Amino acid sequence: QVQLVQSGAEVKKPGSSVKVSCKASGGTFSTYAISWVRQAPGQGLEWMGGIIPRFGTANYVQKFQGRVTITADKSTNTVYMDLNSLRSEDTALYYCARGRRYCSGGGCSPVDFYSYGMDVWGQGTTVTVSS
Amino acid sequence: QSVLTQPPSVSAAPGQKVTISCSGTSSYIGNNYVSWYQQLPGTAPKLLIYDNNNRPSGIPDRFSGSKSGTSATLGITGLQTGDEADYYCGTWDSSLSAWVFGGGTKLTVL
Repeated sequence: QVQLVQSGAEVKKPGSSVKVSCKASGGTFSTYAISWVRQAPGQGLEWMGGIIPRFGTANYVQKFQGRVTITADKSTNTVYMDLNSLRSEDTALYYCARGRRYCSGGGCSPVDFYSYGMDVWGQGTTVTVSS
Repeated sequence: QSVLTQPPSVSAAPGQKVTISCSGTSSYIGNNYVSWYQQLPGTAPKLLIYDNNNRPSGIPDRFSGSKSGTSATLGITGLQTGDEADYYCGTWDSSLSAWVFGGGTKLTVL
């Protein structure tokens, strides 16, 4: 059974950047998409984007375009989410989550990896942005 | 503001049934599968229903999902105090090429 284990809590200054990791263990890593979902205090869930490690291709929500970079290291089964130009509104709990299905062979598109929901979630990483 | 609309809260007594609605447009709910997530206080979300009406292994059949047109519904029967949680619907938005969540519904078991 695959597990996603995230790095520890971070406290950052406004304008700086943060890099959160998500390490997969116990299952196939590169075949599935890994998404990042954040939750501001007392608020709902917000999808930021994701990556398909097998292809190395990342997709981002327009809101975060230019500020977020999601990468994958297949040698260590780890996905990273790098968020820069931090502001107080980025204070949130950040989760990684695995896409429930994958596409094999050619002709696959992001919808084939992301559109079936997320079945395994990391424990969450608190990022606090404060001066 | 979420593109999927859920009621902010619902409540019912133990043993009763409750439904939670999730509405959107054809660019997402209408053309894609809906999944539901349960978030117990202080924990990560958990997949409850996938592909509109399927339960992952280990999810009791008290939980059910359905979809019709551009709306989806989560049903919970035989409510227990342990069901008190936030529930989120989610689906793929084909026009945005992005996953979208509803705003979440807080379930209180009175």
